[in-house]
Amino acid sequence: AQKVTQAQTEISVVEKEDVTLDCVYETRDTTYYLFWYKQPPSGELVFLIRRNSFDEQNEISGRYSWNFQKSTSSFNFTITASQVVDSAVYFCALTLRGSSASKIIFGSGTRLSIRP
Amino acid sequence: NAGVTQTPKFQVLKTGQSMTLQCAQDMNHNSMYWYRQDPGMGLRLIYYSASEGTTDKGEVPNGYNVSRLNKREFSLRLESAAPSQTSVYFCASSEDRRIPGGRPSLSGNTIYFGEGSWLTVV
Repeated sequence: AQKVTQAQTEISVVEKEDVTLDCVYETRDTTYYLFWYKQPPSGELVFLIRRNSFDEQNEISGRYSWNFQKSTSSFNFTITASQVVDSAVYFCALTLRGSSASKIIFGSGTRLSIRP
Repeated sequence: NAGVTQTPKFQVLKTGQSMTLQCAQDMNHNSMYWYRQDPGMGLRLIYYSASEGTTDKGEVPNGYNVSRLNKREFSLRLESAAPSQTSVYFCASSEDRRIPGGRPSLSGNTIYFGEGSWLTVV
């Protein structure tokens, strides 16, 4: 069975601190895709990043970075020098190939609060 | 570019009433989805449609029906609303390219979401 676990339910840090959101996944498939989505207080789901299981290269986008480690089935997300605007619920997700539609399996989310 | 548009954004229903949530995407995507989001449970798939004219059950289909009207539109209907259906509903779509012959290309695609519909059943 496929599963995504975000063990951190809530995290609260002071602005400018670095923060890492953990994501651990389970799948028997050898080809899969991992995602991070952001859900700000306004409620919409914003796509942040997609990572192919064949590509373990870490990625950096501004203050955001992602660490993909296949050996530990983890896809962690780090925000450097956090800002109040980063406050949101963040979801890690997994999709599998081999079906006619890219159904996505979500973790339960991590609520991140950045205090001024 | 509107992406995925869903309506209404907010709705209050009485138990037993029916309603339809509308969703449209302008990205020429093949696959469309309906998810519900409940506190502490993440998003759960209700129904999905891999292509025009096809629909399939997801994780929590009971109490819902869907209709893939055309490639752009995918509606979700609650025939007799219940308080347990109070939730935030998200429509989504993904490209899921087809290879010659109509079979799906076995590559994952990013799923894009609408802004959500807040439904309360009293």
